[in-house]
Amino acid sequence: EIVLTQSPGTLSLSPGERATLSCRASQTVSSTYLAWYQQKPGQAPRLLMSDASTRAAGIPDRFSGSGSGTDFTLTISRLEPEDFAVYYCKQYGSSLLTFGGGTKVEIK
Amino acid sequence: QVHLVQSGAEVKKPGSSVKVSCKASGGTFSTYAISWVRQAPGQGLEWMGGIILIFGTGNYAQKFQGRVTITADESTNTAYMELSSLRSEDTAMYYCASSYYDSSGYYYWFDSWGQGTLVTVSS
Repeated sequence: EIVLTQSPGTLSLSPGERATLSCRASQTVSSTYLAWYQQKPGQAPRLLMSDASTRAAGIPDRFSGSGSGTDFTLTISRLEPEDFAVYYCKQYGSSLLTFGGGTKVEIK
Repeated sequence: QVHLVQSGAEVKKPGSSVKVSCKASGGTFSTYAISWVRQAPGQGLEWMGGIILIFGTGNYAQKFQGRVTITADESTNTAYMELSSLRSEDTAMYYCASSYYDSSGYYYWFDSWGQGTLVTVSS
């Protein structure tokens, strides 16, 4: 099973600032099969990014993803009020899917 | 994109079983895989397993092997997740989610999610 470790656990930032979220895998994620999801309180998760860097439909371009192998990054270039949420990475490069533990982006 | 609607909240006794349904509409059910993801209160997301309709059998996370059964009924476009031998630690929100899959049976990203079903296990 591929273990995903997200850091930091919590990111305290102000609107307009840049957020950089990390997701590290215990082994290589094949074919950059990594997705990012956003979850707000009381809601189901929402897909942000697939294949490490492909934005899902309707996701604004302030969100970008990068990385390969074992190290992946989600960047939010300028935080908007609606971006404060919890973010999860998930790998689908093996038959057993796994999620990271999440990064909470909170208002400073 | 498929739309997923789950069954309502459940309260169960320890040692019993629960079966949650997930009805799909707006897409071709057989072209999707349906996964189940749970989230304990205040915790992260955990993939339990999934099913690809044309393959017919479920694929389960090791943690849930032997305790979870995922099935699907193509005639009603509905997937089911049954969890047995319930304990208090199974109290959680359970989500279904849809994805495409490849020829090896690997699930891709989850592009649609159900609204969630809260399962509470309490004596």
